[in-house]
Amino acid sequence: SQQGEEDPQALSIQEGENATMNCSYKTSINNLQWYRQNSGRGLVHLILIRSNEREKHSGRLRVTLDTSKKSSSLLITASRAADTASYFCATDAINTGFQKLVFGTGTRLLVSP
Amino acid sequence: DTAVSQTPKYLVTQMGNDKSIKCEQNLGHDTMYWYKQDSKKFLKIMFSYNNKELIINETVPNRFSPKSPDKAHLNLHINSLELGDSAVYFCASSQAGEGQQFFGPGTRLTVL
Repeated sequence: SQQGEEDPQALSIQEGENATMNCSYKTSINNLQWYRQNSGRGLVHLILIRSNEREKHSGRLRVTLDTSKKSSSLLITASRAADTASYFCATDAINTGFQKLVFGTGTRLLVSP
Repeated sequence: DTAVSQTPKYLVTQMGNDKSIKCEQNLGHDTMYWYKQDSKKFLKIMFSYNNKELIINETVPNRFSPKSPDKAHLNLHINSLELGDSAVYFCASSQAGEGQQFFGPGTRLTVL
């Protein structure tokens, strides 16, 4: 299967702590994206990092990409209860264009007040 | 001002029935998708349309037939529903050349 893998599968932290989740994928990519899914809702795009980028920031989010290891990490700093959700990485493989995203297995994040 | 909308939100039906899910986007995007999310939260692409043309069909059974009457709509018709079709189906859209996809709220299909 092309599906990427994320770890941990589940993460439970206190408000104010940082949360780090990792994604590994299998093929060479054009870009990697992170999405958030609140319970019972659709996915919301968080950030996109291109294959020639190594790190990207957006607000409290920091994403790194290591194409040699085919891995990425998402760091959420100073977490809030509202960050409780599932987080998915999605890769867009070379030669398939933007139309075909392959999603990881997801990390369920629980932030307790 | 909903960006990507789907109807219905919930669909409960018997095995063997035929059902449709509708999707509309008002973002002016030229590419639309259907994804299936199973009970373990695995999300997998089923179809992609660009300017009403099918560009991705991920070995989905031919009981599933997408139809795109125009760029803003992508409907999914499912014939002879099976228990294994129970899942949440998401519609999404994007603009070709841009990676970000915008997802609808999902349709939870339960086949009894």
